[in-house]
Amino acid sequence: GESVGLHLPTLSVQEGDNSIINCAYSNSASDYFIWYKQESGKGPQFIIDIRSNMDKRQGQRVTVLLNKTVKHLSLQIAATQPGDSAVYFCAEIPNTDKLIFGTGTRLQVFP
Amino acid sequence: GAGVSQSPSNKVTEKGKDVELRCDPISGHTALYWYRQSLGQGLEFLIYFQGNSAPDKSGLPSDRFSAERTGGSVSTLTIQRTQQEDSAVYLCASSLMGRTNSPLHFGNGTRLTVT
Repeated sequence: GESVGLHLPTLSVQEGDNSIINCAYSNSASDYFIWYKQESGKGPQFIIDIRSNMDKRQGQRVTVLLNKTVKHLSLQIAATQPGDSAVYFCAEIPNTDKLIFGTGTRLQVFP
Repeated sequence: GAGVSQSPSNKVTEKGKDVELRCDPISGHTALYWYRQSLGQGLEFLIYFQGNSAPDKSGLPSDRFSAERTGGSVSTLTIQRTQQEDSAVYLCASSLMGRTNSPLHFGNGTRLTVT
């Protein structure tokens, strides 16, 4: 059954399409941001991070974009696969040691 | 082990009983965190350890909650006189340095159900 996010915003994409998951963060003093993926019954899994002195960072099939002017973070997943289906969380560290998580977005990939 | 290990994976307890949740962080990670995730919610910060000391306990919901860390490694989260609202998944994470230099790596959590 559902273990995370019964009422989360949901993004549905077709397999092979690109996905864009957005996140608005709250603290203009935040200087480190992380995207996590959480599958049902598991803990959050690190995907990619970015520091505030950058506006873009690329990984394998993933890209994170940071817009500090509007306090916006996005995660782009290229060629989305069924295994990408999960809940995605952005997290910020506002110059302290405490990671603050957003509410999450559920990504559903259909064939 | 290669990752953060938490035990038990599931715990069912009666209201009013005490529970202890255990976390084994990644070897060499100096920082350790406890978070709580309720059904349909995001992750709620509870407490942070750097070594054996806890510079930030601000997220502990009440004095029924406590945590300790010994030897700069294993941590236990104790909930006394459990209540039904304590039911949640309790997640532990560790990081190499604990400041804005390294990401947190999470375990799979302990699902606590208070009946």
